[in-house]
Amino acid sequence: GAGVSQTPSNKVTEKGKYVELRCDPISGHTALYWYRQSLGQGPEFLIYFQGTGAADDSGLPNDRFFAVRPEGSVSTLKIQRTERGDSAVYLCASSFTHGNTEAFFGQGTRLTVV
Amino acid sequence: SQQGEEDPQALSIQEGENATMNCSYKTSINNLQWYRQNSGRGLVHLILIRSNEREKHSGRLRVTLDTSKKSSSLLITASRAADTASYFCATDARSGSRLTFGEGTQLTVNP
Repeated sequence: GAGVSQTPSNKVTEKGKYVELRCDPISGHTALYWYRQSLGQGPEFLIYFQGTGAADDSGLPNDRFFAVRPEGSVSTLKIQRTERGDSAVYLCASSFTHGNTEAFFGQGTRLTVV
Repeated sequence: SQQGEEDPQALSIQEGENATMNCSYKTSINNLQWYRQNSGRGLVHLILIRSNEREKHSGRLRVTLDTSKKSSSLLITASRAADTASYFCATDARSGSRLTFGEGTQLTVNP
C-alpha cells in the first residue's frame, strides 16, 4: 500500500483479555516503531525494530507487552491480560532507515479496555 | 522527562495571522522534526531539520534550530482554518534509537 496501515482501527476489549494490533509498514522500510498516545499527550515510544530484530524495546511498560516482526515487514504488538490503563491510541511508524529520515505514521489503533 | 517540550500548550489565532510554536529539548540531537496531528490519530511529517542546519522552509512553514539553546521554533505564515491541529516536535537523539515527542501545541485558527 501507499502508506502505513494499522488494523483494527478501533478495538474494544474486556479487562484481562489478550489483544493483537497489526502494523503493515511501507514496503522497503527497514525501521518500524510502535508508540502509544494517551489523550492530550504526545506519543510515547514503546519499541523499535530494525529489520526483524527489536533494536530497542526499552519503552515497553512491562512484560505484558510484546511485539514481533518475524519477516522484517508486518509487525504485531501483543498485549496480555489487558488493563484499563492500557487504553490509548497505538501508533505505528516506519522509515526507510533509522536516523535523519522522516517517519511515516499509520492512523493508529484506538484500544479501549472496559 | 520529556525530551521535547513545546510551548505554548495552546494557541488561538485568526485566519491570516502567523502562528509560532516553540520546542525545547535536553540532549544532543541528530535532527529535530515537526509533525502535525488531527483529531488524535495519525501524525503527518511536516519538516526535518538536521543538527547542522539553522533554518529551513517548506511552503508556509519556517523552522529554526538553535543547538546552543537546544530549542526550535515552527512558524506558520498566513494561517488558515485548515491549519487547526496539534503540532509536535520530535527529536532524534545521537545516542538514541527513537523519536522522542513533546506534549504538543494545540493550534486553533478561527475563520
